[in-house]
Amino acid sequence: KQEVTQIPAALSVPEGENLVLNCSFTDSAIYNLQWFRQDPGKGLTSLLLIQSSQREQTSGRLNASLDKSSGRSTLYIAASQPGDSATYLCAVKAAGNKLTFGGGTRVLVKP
Amino acid sequence: DTAVSQTPKYLVTQMGNDKSIKCEQNLGHDTMYWYKQDSKKFLKIMFSYNNKELIINETVPNRFSPKSPDKAHLNLHINSLELGDSAVYFCASTISGGLSTDTQYFGPGTRLTVL
Repeated sequence: KQEVTQIPAALSVPEGENLVLNCSFTDSAIYNLQWFRQDPGKGLTSLLLIQSSQREQTSGRLNASLDKSSGRSTLYIAASQPGDSATYLCAVKAAGNKLTFGGGTRVLVKP
Repeated sequence: DTAVSQTPKYLVTQMGNDKSIKCEQNLGHDTMYWYKQDSKKFLKIMFSYNNKELIINETVPNRFSPKSPDKAHLNLHINSLELGDSAVYFCASTISGGLSTDTQYFGPGTRLTVL
């Protein structure tokens, strides 16, 4: 059974500092891994999707890496801003077209 | 234009009642999902439909019954509501669900509170 873990559960950084969010999964037989952002009281917004054959994806200040063999992904957010404050969720897609989510990392960027 | 919409956004009801949550997507997607996010913020899949056909049914009490009248709609009906059903329920959709490039698009959620 796939399990997804995100560490740390919460993170607080001063504005301008780079953010590093970790995600690990137990079963490496995945189709893809997605990073989502969730704002309080809102739905999820997809940030990046990395296919199992890829090593990383980039979008603006966001970069996500994937090491399928070790079951790890890292989301880097460069030069953090207060608007980056949110909960970040990673999810892996495996057989059966199911997304399995981690518990999320709650990020606070202080001005 | 909202891609994935859910109604209602908030639902407060008494234990034992029956309630429904509606979901609609205007993206032309074939696959729709229901997720439950509990108080600890864990998101877990409940159901998935592809072209009105049930393809994922996780271990969910049979008080929960999804209904897909067409591929743009996936409604969730809950009978005999219990306190433990209080959570945020998210609907999502994806093009087909079977590709490694498929991104899931989420609705804004329905916060259900059972008193």
